[in-house]
Amino acid sequence: DAGVIQSPRHEVTEMGQEVTLRCKPISGHDYLFWYRQTMMRGLELLIYFNNNVPIDDSGMPEDRFSAKMPNASFSTLKIQPSEPRDSAVYFCASSFSRTGLIFTGELFFGEGSRLTVL
Amino acid sequence: QKEVEQNSGPLSVPEGAIASLNCTYSDRGSQSFFWYRQYSGKSPELIMFIYSNGDKEDGRFTAQLNKASQYVSLLIRDSQPSDSATYLCAVNIIQGAQKLVFGQGTRLTINP
Repeated sequence: DAGVIQSPRHEVTEMGQEVTLRCKPISGHDYLFWYRQTMMRGLELLIYFNNNVPIDDSGMPEDRFSAKMPNASFSTLKIQPSEPRDSAVYFCASSFSRTGLIFTGELFFGEGSRLTVL
Repeated sequence: QKEVEQNSGPLSVPEGAIASLNCTYSDRGSQSFFWYRQYSGKSPELIMFIYSNGDKEDGRFTAQLNKASQYVSLLIRDSQPSDSATYLCAVNIIQGAQKLVFGQGTRLTINP
């Protein structure tokens, strides 16, 4: 069974350009998360969706960041305009809810998208 | 105070010894706790979870939880060089919506 699929794996762009990161969660999972990882700040939650609906976007740094989940099998994270401080590894993860629990906490991560903004 | 705190290390342990990794959290209402392992250049993967006070063992790994002290730990017995990685503590924090918050991670090196 395929895991979480992210693209692109690597992206190098110039300041001011638009960046779009893509994610396909594991089939049947009803939660999707976007995290950002840097050496300084560690793994930070940006936004998460449940059944395609955004639940918590309090971690989205600013209006330059937006995320969508148009259907159960696809999500995008967009940065416009990009800045050098956005350079990081962006992880998408999916999960599922068990009977009686809202959220299990068992995340399945994609391989990440390494973004470099020059 | 950070929601989840870990000693960033690096922690160096000789092969065959016990590695002890610690984590504290701030939200008293948290009910579920996780340890993820991340090899260099790879994505995190879940290795243990614990919901109840006390110990939970899985092979060479033991997770320990003390909710009164807001403390979670991970013990790795008979450490192997393949255990060298960054270990991330994660806590399911409920503040309105639930969210899984990660600590900074502890870098562990097992020396042959």
